[in-house]
Amino acid sequence: EADIYQTPRYLVIGTGKKITLECSQTMGHDKMYWYQQDPGMELHLIHYSYGVNSTEKGDLSSESTVSRIRTEHFPLTLESARPSHTSQYLCASSERRTGINEKLFFGSGTQLSVL
Amino acid sequence: KNQVEQSPQSLIILEGKNCTLQCNYTVSPFSNLRWYKQDTGRGPVSLTIMTFSENTKSNGRYTATLDADTKQSSLHITASQLSDSASYICVVSDRGSTLGRLYFGRGTQLTVWP
Repeated sequence: EADIYQTPRYLVIGTGKKITLECSQTMGHDKMYWYQQDPGMELHLIHYSYGVNSTEKGDLSSESTVSRIRTEHFPLTLESARPSHTSQYLCASSERRTGINEKLFFGSGTQLSVL
Repeated sequence: KNQVEQSPQSLIILEGKNCTLQCNYTVSPFSNLRWYKQDTGRGPVSLTIMTFSENTKSNGRYTATLDADTKQSSLHITASQLSDSASYICVVSDRGSTLGRLYFGRGTQLTVWP
């Protein structure tokens, strides 16, 4: 069982609100990722980090921002939520170890609904 | 264009039966192929990881095969159980940066009926 936690599990919020999705891992992993997943669709990388004070945008254009002040914590923030942000958000982490056996551990996800 | 295609999109089988899920990819240069299981409302969990030189890998009742020449992989589930009901996602990594770029399939939704 992976030690990576996301809160909240479910969030229903009105348009225009600012929200922060929390992600924490206790495995000491340097690398952390945020993915967005719609029903029946593939995961899309929206942000990633290779360590403290490192953040990069992923493949999918996103209006969200992330921060990495501590190794274990990688929160994602939406300054002004819109209905188009309705989706499942998955956080993942992996060890710094390079190579083919680098394994991704996923959190349980946050299901966001913006009304 | 690098893509990962999975089939079938959904599958229903009876408990105790075997099934095989397919994954075709066009990712190049190829580094490794992973199969994940994703329960409804949960994050994906890794089942197997295979490199270019491996053509089969097992994890309990799950057996993955890889044909790097034809760029095809399959996941075979033996003696299915109700708990096998989930989405099975094929993920292919290219030989890019440290982790490599990951290309995700849309998954096969497996339902096991009693």
